Amino acid sequence: GAVVSQHPSRVICKSGTSVKIECRSLDFQATTMFWYRQFPKKSLMLMATSNEGSKATYEQGVEKDKFLINHASLTLSTLTVTSAHPEDSSFYICSASSGSFNEQYFGPGTRLTVT
Amino acid sequence: GIQVEQSPPDLILQEGANSTLRCNFSDSVNNLQWFHQNPWGQLINLFYIPSGTKQNGRLSATTVATERYSLLYISSSQTTDSGVYFCAVEHIGSNYKLTFGKGTLLTVNP
Repeated sequence: GAVVSQHPSRVICKSGTSVKIECRSLDFQATTMFWYRQFPKKSLMLMATSNEGSKATYEQGVEKDKFLINHASLTLSTLTVTSAHPEDSSFYICSASSGSFNEQYFGPGTRLTVT
Repeated sequence: GIQVEQSPPDLILQEGANSTLRCNFSDSVNNLQWFHQNPWGQLINLFYIPSGTKQNGRLSATTVATERYSLLYISSSQTTDSGVYFCAVEHIGSNYKLTFGKGTLLTVNP
C-alpha cells in the first residue's frame, strides 16, 4: 500500500509560538492531501483539503489564518498552527490520495501540546 | 451532510471469538473505507469497499450500497486486533472528502 509520513510525531510548544507539521507521500504523487484533527477518544474531523498548487479549502468553523496549509509539491503538504494556544492541543493527522486511486492513506499523526 | 453511524460503540471479546461491526450511512457514497486505529494513533487501511465483498485473511467486509450499510467481520480475534475501528465514507459530490463514524472500540482479552 501507499506510504504517508508525518513529521514531527510529537511536539510541545509554548503558547503564542507557531508550529509546522509536514506530511509527505513517500511512494506516490498525492494530488490531494487532507488534514484532520482528533480529540481524545473522538473521531476524526476534517479540517481542510489541499490540492497541489492551489489554495486549501477549509471546512466550516476552521480558521484559515490560524491553520495555514501549503501544498507546494505532489509529495509534500504542510500545516502551520500559528500563534498556538492550549486549546489547539490535539492529534493532527494527514492523508493523501492520488488521481490513480480514490483510497486515502493516512500518516501516523502528530501530537501537539501547547503549554 | 451525510451521517455515519457505527455500532456497537464498544465491544469486548475473548481471544478466538468472532465479531461483526456495522456501519450505516444516510446517503449514497462513492467510497467507503474501513480503518483500524492502533494504540499509537496510526490509521491502518483495512478495506476500500464502496460495494461488494472483500476478504483479507481473518478480516472480511461487505458493503450493500443500495441499503446504505457496510459490515466488517473479524474472525478468530487476537489481542492485536484491539483498537478502534472506523468506517469512513465519501459522500457523492463531496470532492473526495471522507466523513468518519464515531468508531467501535474493540478490546480482545487473552
